[in-house]
Parts: sequence; structure tokens; C-alpha cells
Amino acid sequence: DAGVIQSPRHEVTEMGQEVTLRCKPISGHNSLFWYRQTMMRGLELLIYFNNNVPIDDSGMPEDRFSAKMPNASFSTLKIQPSEPRDSAVYFCASSLGAGQGSGELFFGEGSRLTVL
Amino acid sequence: AQSVTQLGSHVSVSEGALVLLRCNYSSSVPPYLFWYVQYPNQGLQLLLKYTTGATLVKGINGFEAEFKKSETSFHLTKPSAHMSDAAEYFCAVSYSSASKIIFGSGTRLSIRP
Repeated sequence: DAGVIQSPRHEVTEMGQEVTLRCKPISGHNSLFWYRQTMMRGLELLIYFNNNVPIDDSGMPEDRFSAKMPNASFSTLKIQPSEPRDSAVYFCASSLGAGQGSGELFFGEGSRLTVL
Repeated sequence: AQSVTQLGSHVSVSEGALVLLRCNYSSSVPPYLFWYVQYPNQGLQLLLKYTTGATLVKGINGFEAEFKKSETSFHLTKPSAHMSDAAEYFCAVSYSSASKIIFGSGTRLSIRP
């Protein structure tokens, strides 16, 4: 079975450019999560969706970040404009269930973003 | 407030030796506890979890963890380390199926030949 699929795997861009990261969750999973991982801050939850509806976006750093989930099989995380401090690995994860507390999150391989 | 502390950002053991990765949590209610593993250039993968019931939990790849309420700990162990166990390990806590998972800062496990 296909796991969580993220694209691109690597993105290098210049400060001020728009960045769009994409995620396809596991079929049948109804919750989707976006995480950011850096050496300094570790793993941070940015936003999560349940049944395509954003439930908690309190982790989104600022208005430059936005996320959408137009249908059950696709989500995007957009950064506009990007800044060097946004450089990180961004993970998408999905799960079966309403929340993330049950712990069975399935992660994608991540999108490594470098903003010059 | 919930939190999780992993003692030691880097642990190095010899191949065949005992692996012990430490995790302590704080939670005002009975927690759900998890260990995730992250291999290089990959996402996190659930290793094992404790929700209710038996306090000794067995996971994949020969790992196990024991929930000790009196010590607020959930340490991860493996009797004999293998080179393929080299990875980053994350302890995590939540307090209900609908709540957020709080991840620890991670422990990098290195295996010496």
C-alpha cells in the first residue's frame, strides 16, 4: 500500500519566493497533519485537519503560512513570501481518527526546504 | 501542562549491548505514551505505544518500553543493539485520543561495531 506521499522532496528557493509543498495522505485516513522539523526547535505541529476541515492552526508561525485541504486526498502548505528562517524539513502525516492523540501517525518522507 | 523530556540527546552503544533510551513525562491525567523512530532522510515511524492495560509494551524490531506511573517514566529498551538500530528516537505524550501529541526533542542512537 502507498504511504503518505510528499512533494517535492527537496526545494531550494530564494528569499521572497512562494513555496508550495504538497501531500497525499493514505487513502481512508481522515486526519492530516503538517509538521516542521528543525535542529533548534525540534518537531512542531503547524496545523491539522479532520475530514478536510482545519481543526487547529495555532502552530502556524505567521500569516505567511497557509494550508489547504480541498479534498480527502490532497493538501498543500504554502509559504509566501519565504524567508531563510523557514528553512526546515516539513512533514505531512495522516491518521485514522478524529485527533492525533491515539498516536498512530503515518509520516511522509518530508520536504526539505532551503531558503537562500 | 503536558511535557516530555528525553535524557541525553545522543546515546552510543556497542553492537550487541543493551539499549536504554530515557523518557520522562508530565501529565495531569493518565497519559498515552509513544516512541517513534526516524531513520536518516525518512519520516517518523511508530515503534510502540501505551494507552491502557499492560504496562510493558512490546514494539517492532525487538524494542519494548515500560510505563512506570510512580516514576513518570517510559524508557525504551532493547536487549541487544544492532547496527540497523542507528536512528533518532522520539518519545511523545498525549492525554486523550483527541488531544495533541507532544514530542520530545529526540535522542540520536549510534551503534559502534
